[in-house]
Amino acid sequence: GDSVTQMEGPVTLSEEAFLTINCTYTATGYPSLFWYVQYPGEGLQLLLKATKADDKGSNKGFEATYRKETTSFHLEKGSVQVSDSAVYFCALTQYNNNDMRFGAGTRLTVKP
Amino acid sequence: GAGVSQSPSNKVTEKGKDVELRCDPISGHTALYWYRQSLGQGLEFLIYFQGNSAPDKSGLPSDRFSAERTGGSVSTLTIQRTQQEDSAVYLCASSLLTRNYGYTFGSGTRLTVV
Repeated sequence: GDSVTQMEGPVTLSEEAFLTINCTYTATGYPSLFWYVQYPGEGLQLLLKATKADDKGSNKGFEATYRKETTSFHLEKGSVQVSDSAVYFCALTQYNNNDMRFGAGTRLTVKP
Repeated sequence: GAGVSQSPSNKVTEKGKDVELRCDPISGHTALYWYRQSLGQGLEFLIYFQGNSAPDKSGLPSDRFSAERTGGSVSTLTIQRTQQEDSAVYLCASSLLTRNYGYTFGSGTRLTVV
């Protein structure tokens, strides 16, 4: 079945460092891909999405490009801030249903 | 409402008691989901409602767990005879067209069984 694999955390970076969180997927057809962020004590918020191959999703300085050839959707940010400390979830959904598959989540801590 | 609303935000209950958790989805969203998130863990799927179809209950961990969705809107997750291992954050989400818009999550209910 469809699945999402994320790099294991936790990830600890210094402020202004470059961030990459790897995400790869296994799916038939043409899924839509998402990144969600969960700040401490809160629910999940949609961060960005891409609905077809080669699309780039972006928001709040974060970017991810839908790469069908490598079945990947890696999350990147050029300069992280302390306020980016959170858990990040990669997810996919198929064209023909509403069910979403989530990765296990990657905890990011940014130190000043 | 503008977002997914869950209540209560926090619930402390004694072991063996029953609890009810409520989710009020975004108006018009046909799909509704319940997930469980234990401390420091990922998301565990519990149950999925889609319109008037029979719900997908494949994620419910035991027969102590049940959920219903009345009138295609508000949902209640019931846990009977709570156990300490039921302690977790219970998240509700709703969606209209997931492939384009994803899920919208509520803030969750933190359940503590003492």
